[in-house]
Formats: sequence, structure tokens, C-alpha cells
Amino acid sequence: EIVMTQSPATLSVSPGERATLSCRASQSVSSHLTWFQQKPGQAPRLLIYGASTRATGIPARFSGSGSGTEFTLTISSLQPEDFAVYYCQQYNNWPLTFGGGTKVEIK
Amino acid sequence: QLQLQESGPGLVKPSETLSLTCTVSGGSITSSSYYWGWIRQPPGKGLEWIGSMYYFGSTYYNPSLKSRVTISVDTSKNQFSLKLTSVTAADTAIYYCARGLYNSGWYHFDYWGQGTLVIVSS
Repeated sequence: EIVMTQSPATLSVSPGERATLSCRASQSVSSHLTWFQQKPGQAPRLLIYGASTRATGIPARFSGSGSGTEFTLTISSLQPEDFAVYYCQQYNNWPLTFGGGTKVEIK
Repeated sequence: QLQLQESGPGLVKPSETLSLTCTVSGGSITSSSYYWGWIRQPPGKGLEWIGSMYYFGSTYYNPSLKSRVTISVDTSKNQFSLKLTSVTAADTAIYYCARGLYNSGWYHFDYWGQGTLVIVSS
């Protein structure tokens, strides 16, 4: 099983600042990685697939990068609605696995 | 607009079987462009993939749950279902159904249902 490790667990950021979230895979997943955003009481929402492709309707301030084992989600200028938990997930191998999440909170 | 809606009992007794159904509207469950999956999230915790299936029958399960899980499809109703046997309190979670979308040879989850909380308790 591929273990996905996200860091940091919590990120405190002021509105308008840049946020950088990391996701590491225990072995290569090529570019088969998604990022999801989850707000309290809601289902996860797809942000990024293929490590770097924004899903339909996702603002350009969200960007993904990386391949192999190291991935990054960058939110260029945090908006109030961006404070949430973010999960990465690999779909290169069965079983599909998720990272433990990064909570982005208001500083 | 695609919608996925989970349904089933919100309370299940220990040792019994958890059964949930996901109804798909706004899209066909038999399209080769998709597969269908279940993911769960214990209250306040992270996401755990349970299993996925293609409408034509191929299924993949999380090894940690494989002995207790069955995912099946009813194409006539545009639904797919989850059965989890011999449940314990550790199976208490929000259960989500989701669609996997084909892109460049691979499938990734794109749409999720709103989720349904299942509590295992006597």
C-alpha cells in the first residue's frame, strides 16, 4: 500500500497570503494525484487532478505541481472561503490512498 | 447536472450488516468513462477508500476491509450499493459515494455524494 503523508498538519495563514501544502508518497505515483478541499459538514470537492490540472470551476489561485513522490498544492492568495482541510489522494495503484489532511486555518 | 445520493439506515447494530445505496442522477452508471466508489470518514478524522467498481463488474477493495465488503451495481435503477458485514463501532463514519472519471488512461474521483452518517451501536 502506498502511504501518503501530508505536511504540515495545520497551516496558519492570513487572508491574502500564500499557502503551500505538501504531499509525499511512499513510492512513485507518477502524476496520478488529486487534491480535494473539504469544509465542515461538506463532502470533499475536487480541486486538482493529474497533479497539476485544475478541475472545472476551480479558481486560478489554486495550483498543483510535482510528480513521482513529491507534490505541492499552492494557494496564491488565500480567500476567506479557502480556509478548510485539504487532502491529497493517489490513484496510481490499488488500494487508493489518501493523505491525512492539512487544515488551513486563519492566522 | 450529475448528482449522487446515498441512502440507508443511519444506525446499525454491532455484528450486523451495513447496507447503503447510491443513486446516480444526471448521468448513466453504465458509461465506460466512469467507475463508482465508496469512501468513508470517521467523525473528525480523515478519508478512507473502501472500494470501487466498474459497471461491467470489476471490483477493487481496500485490503483492510476486503473480507467484509461487497460493492454491486443495479443498472436498471442507476444505483450502486455497499454492503459491509460484521460491523463494529470502528465502522462508525460518514459514508460517501463518488464517481471516478476517466482521463488519459486513469480514473480519478471527481463528484461525491453529500455523505451519510452511519453509527454502529446497540
